[in-house]
Amino acid sequence: GAVVSQHPSRVICKSGTSVKIECRSLDFQATTMFWYRQFPKQSLMLMATSNEGSKATYEQGVEKDKFLINHASLTLSTLTVTSAHPEDSSFYICSARDISSSYEQYFGPGTRLTVT
Amino acid sequence: AQSVTQPDIHITVSEGASLELRCNYSYGATPYLFWYVQSPGQGLQLLLKYFSGDTLVQGIKGFEAEFKRSQSSFNLRKPSVHWSDAAEYFCAVFTGGGNKLTFGTGTQLKVEL
Repeated sequence: GAVVSQHPSRVICKSGTSVKIECRSLDFQATTMFWYRQFPKQSLMLMATSNEGSKATYEQGVEKDKFLINHASLTLSTLTVTSAHPEDSSFYICSARDISSSYEQYFGPGTRLTVT
Repeated sequence: AQSVTQPDIHITVSEGASLELRCNYSYGATPYLFWYVQSPGQGLQLLLKYFSGDTLVQGIKGFEAEFKRSQSSFNLRKPSVHWSDAAEYFCAVFTGGGNKLTFGTGTQLKVEL
């Protein structure tokens, strides 16, 4: 149980275009989902926290107009990287917190974004 | 503010040898602590967690960790490492007030055959 999926696993897009990444909790309901960014050989940096039905809370330094987050249902959150640039290339990981748990997060497999 | 320190960036051990990965945290109250493992290009898998109670916690894949409040540490151990354990290991602390996980910088484990 407690499986989180991400789609796509890899995406290559051209500079200036937008790309959407989906995060789904497959066998549980998640009122809260988290989006992380990971640069090569580095740790995970929390970008934003999304709560179902409300606006996401962004961490300091994260451009909310560039990284659009939508959490329209208890099983789906999306991250849209708008007007992508090469510096947005990174590994994006989502996690979801079970509605019945206050602490545990279940992580997706990640999405490798490459902007050319 | 809470923080997590993993002093060892890289560790190399021989297969069959014992392993200890260090983790120190800074947090005012009793933390909720986690160890995750990440294989290349993959997401994170939870190895074990500590919320309360017995300070020695058992996890998956033969890993264990011990919470030591006096040392603000939560070190991960395994008595005999397998080649498949080669991966990146992250220690994390959950802070209720912040409602989020804070990760350490990770330790890259290499296993020599």
